[in-house]
Amino acid sequence: SQTIHQWPATLVQPVGSPLSLECTVEGTSNPNLYWYRQAAGRGLQLLFYSVGIGQISSEVPQNLSASRPQDRQFILSSKKLLLSDSGFYLCAWSVRLTSAYEQYFGPGTRLTVT
Amino acid sequence: AQKITQTQPGMFVQEKEAVTLDCTYDTSDQSYGLFWYKQPSSGEMIFLIYQGSYDEQNATEGRYSLNFQKARKSANLVISASQLGDSAMYFCAMRRENTGNQFYFGTGTSLTVIP
Repeated sequence: SQTIHQWPATLVQPVGSPLSLECTVEGTSNPNLYWYRQAAGRGLQLLFYSVGIGQISSEVPQNLSASRPQDRQFILSSKKLLLSDSGFYLCAWSVRLTSAYEQYFGPGTRLTVT
Repeated sequence: AQKITQTQPGMFVQEKEAVTLDCTYDTSDQSYGLFWYKQPSSGEMIFLIYQGSYDEQNATEGRYSLNFQKARKSANLVISASQLGDSAMYFCAMRRENTGNQFYFGTGTSLTVIP
């Protein structure tokens, strides 16, 4: 069966510090991978998605970046965090090339920028 | 641009009653998928139900059913026999076909089940 891991579960970082959140998927190959951010009490904002190694699409311009160094690894980074980067970050994967399958989400990372 | 609209920020339902959560979508795509997710206070996103744009029958999964009206571009979630554990945020989402398989989410509806 497939599983998706995200870490850390919670993170408190000062403004201006770097960020690295990691997501890995097990039990599947060639997945689509996604990063979302959810502000408190709000919906999900798609940040990045990837259809393959090294292929990253950005949905919203910001000071975040994403990388996919391996097929089942997706990393969200920032060189300098802003207060507005606080939120709940969710990684997800889905089967590629068909709209008939849902996304599977990781447990999320709660980031607080102080 | 794709857009998912959930017009009910909060809903209340009596335990054991049925409740309908509204979702409308806007797309020019011919092929797409519609999904509902549940997010309890723990934050995890739980997949509930799927409806394909070419499916003629409304999807059902246990106590969940999806009232799909393609011409009206609506995909309402019906929860029958509400339970206290159904209290959560509910998100409607649409997945596009053949364009990177992006998912678009609505802003969510907070459901509270009253004992």
